Amino acid sequence: AQSVAQPEDQVNVAEGNPLTVKCTYSVSGNPYLFWYVQYPNRGLQFLLKYITGDNLVKGSYGFEAEFNKSQTSFHLKKPSALVSDSALYFCAVRDNTNTGNQFYFGTGTSLTVIP
Amino acid sequence: DSGVTQTPKHLITATGQRVTLRCSPRSGDLSVYWYQQSLDQGLQFLIQYYNGEERAKGNILERFSAQQFPDLHSELNLSSLELGDSALYFCASSVQGLARTDTQYFGPGTRLTVL
Repeated sequence: AQSVAQPEDQVNVAEGNPLTVKCTYSVSGNPYLFWYVQYPNRGLQFLLKYITGDNLVKGSYGFEAEFNKSQTSFHLKKPSALVSDSALYFCAVRDNTNTGNQFYFGTGTSLTVIP
Repeated sequence: DSGVTQTPKHLITATGQRVTLRCSPRSGDLSVYWYQQSLDQGLQFLIQYYNGEERAKGNILERFSAQQFPDLHSELNLSSLELGDSALYFCASSVQGLARTDTQYFGPGTRLTVL
């Protein structure tokens, strides 16, 4: 079965510092991994995805993610955090079975960027 | 703005009642997905439709049903509502929904409160 884990419920980082939001995955077959961000009272917004190829994926708003097959991880990163990055971040893996291709989401990580 | 619209934004109803949530996908998207987000269960996939046909089913209760119409909009029907059905219900759409590389774009959600 496909699953992702986000080991940290909450991450605090000072504005201007680099940020990392962690995600590990468990899949059978090729992993298709996604990151979404949810601002208060809003829907999920797509940030980036890993399908194949370069292990460093660049996405929206200056975010990037590093795919590490040996560690089964897909951590979200940003070199310099902004206060406006404060939000709820979800890692997701795509179902690889033949019956469907829905997402399995992690439990989410609340990021707070401190001014 | 993802291009996915959902109505209504908020819904307050009583136990035992029935409600209908509506979703219009992005122009050109053939697949619609429904998700439930609650504090205790996180983000859970309910059901997917592709071009009018049910494609995949997740943790959807028998009291819940959905359909996708010829114009591709979708409705999620929730009946015999219970307090535990209170949640945020998201709709997402993707171009095809058959390729696991497809990005899903989420609507702003409908917040359902059952009293």
